[in-house]
Amino acid sequence: GESVGLHLPTLSVQEGDNSIINCAYSNSASDYFIWYKQESGKGPQFIIDIRSNMDKRQGQRVTVLLNKTVKHLSLQIAATQPGDSAVYFCAEKPGGYNKLIFGAGTRLAVHP
Amino acid sequence: NAGVTQTPKFRVLKTGQSMTLLCAQDMNHEYMYWYRQDPGMGLRLIHYSVGEGTTAKGEVPDGYNVSRLKKQNFLLGLESAAPSQTSVYFCASSYAGSANTEAFFGQGTRLTVV
Repeated sequence: GESVGLHLPTLSVQEGDNSIINCAYSNSASDYFIWYKQESGKGPQFIIDIRSNMDKRQGQRVTVLLNKTVKHLSLQIAATQPGDSAVYFCAEKPGGYNKLIFGAGTRLAVHP
Repeated sequence: NAGVTQTPKFRVLKTGQSMTLLCAQDMNHEYMYWYRQDPGMGLRLIHYSVGEGTTAKGEVPDGYNVSRLKKQNFLLGLESAAPSQTSVYFCASSYAGSANTEAFFGQGTRLTVV
């Protein structure tokens, strides 16, 4: 598998703490906003999505918040674990298009 | 199920050479995508396909061509490789539908053009 040495913003957290990863998006016409996780040496993996008419959605240990007023998306991870260490990408699905547009990503480093 | 399989995993090309990257999926997905990943720039969409025999341009299509002759395969071609095409390439596939946001990615291909 492959990954790249990305010069990304890094969020460092202690194991057990909550993590908040932020993303600013640009397209107000997007239907969906999505979070993906990329572990070292692997391709990105879907975590959770939120439709544009919602402001909050919860999954297992994760919550996504959408603030359309300021075009801001966040991913909250509860009780962060070492296995959560990865690069996290936000993505958007423009309305009427069958494609995903990805942001630059944030590296999450979890320390014991 | 193998999911999404990319070949080759690594390749070094000389400037001006051509090559084809192969993507195969066994999930009967309608949609397939090619992305490139560069440091600090996330994933950028090169081309995508919404069905057999159809392709469309993404954000960075120049220098690449694609073909989708069979539903399960999506080929990415570089006719004359340039150093700017050094990158990690990811193929992905997904089901059709405006509400479907989950794409399944391959393991990537690291391409170096010297």
